[in-house]
Amino acid sequence: QVTLRESGPALVKPTQTLTLTCAFSGFSLSTSGMCVSWIRQPPGKALEWLARIDWDDDKYYSTSLRTRLTISKDTSKNQVVLTMTSMDPVDTATYYCARAGDGYNYSWFDPWGQGTLVTVSS
Amino acid sequence: QSALTQPASVSGSPGQSITISCTGTSSDVGGYKYVSWYQEQPGKAPKLMIYDVSNRPTGVSNRFSGSKSGNTASLTISGLQAEDEADYYCSSYISSSIHYVFGTGTKVTVL
Repeated sequence: QVTLRESGPALVKPTQTLTLTCAFSGFSLSTSGMCVSWIRQPPGKALEWLARIDWDDDKYYSTSLRTRLTISKDTSKNQVVLTMTSMDPVDTATYYCARAGDGYNYSWFDPWGQGTLVTVSS
Repeated sequence: QSALTQPASVSGSPGQSITISCTGTSSDVGGYKYVSWYQEQPGKAPKLMIYDVSNRPTGVSNRFSGSKSGNTASLTISGLQAEDEADYYCSSYISSSIHYVFGTGTKVTVL
């Protein structure tokens, strides 16, 4: 069974850097074709894709947030880390991690973690 | 990449069928067969309902079906049930640039 769980601070101050961790089980990011993405959802708003990291360490980012995001993986710990710099109140959102695809096709997200709410406020 | 356009809300009575549209452009929805749909209910993680336009994951009810015509994809829920009440989001995968774009979301209400 594949599961993912996000963790990180519930509250960050404006201008700070956010670091989120996605701990997963049921697959390995060292296996060819495996990918993990981060997605966020501001309260009452739509989902927004942020980044994806692949088994071969290729990384892809949202065009609008590219300069602020870094995604990395620790294969030995089955974790993916997302950092976002220069946090602003508009970045207040629930942040999800999800497996992208099934190892052959990367066009969907399944399963998702439960999400972690991050509030940006001074 | 702009968000895909979905109706803000759709409603129906139990047993009825409803369809949610998801409109993009030839650069996303229209250009690829990579549209997926997600169900979001309060307190739960988003759930994949349809992938690659019309494929249902194991365990998803066959009351859910997907299709696409041109730049518009659709999710149809037949035999509407109270448990289907949720927010639904479409997503398009742009494989040429490795990007994903989500829809604006649709709230489904069972009357």
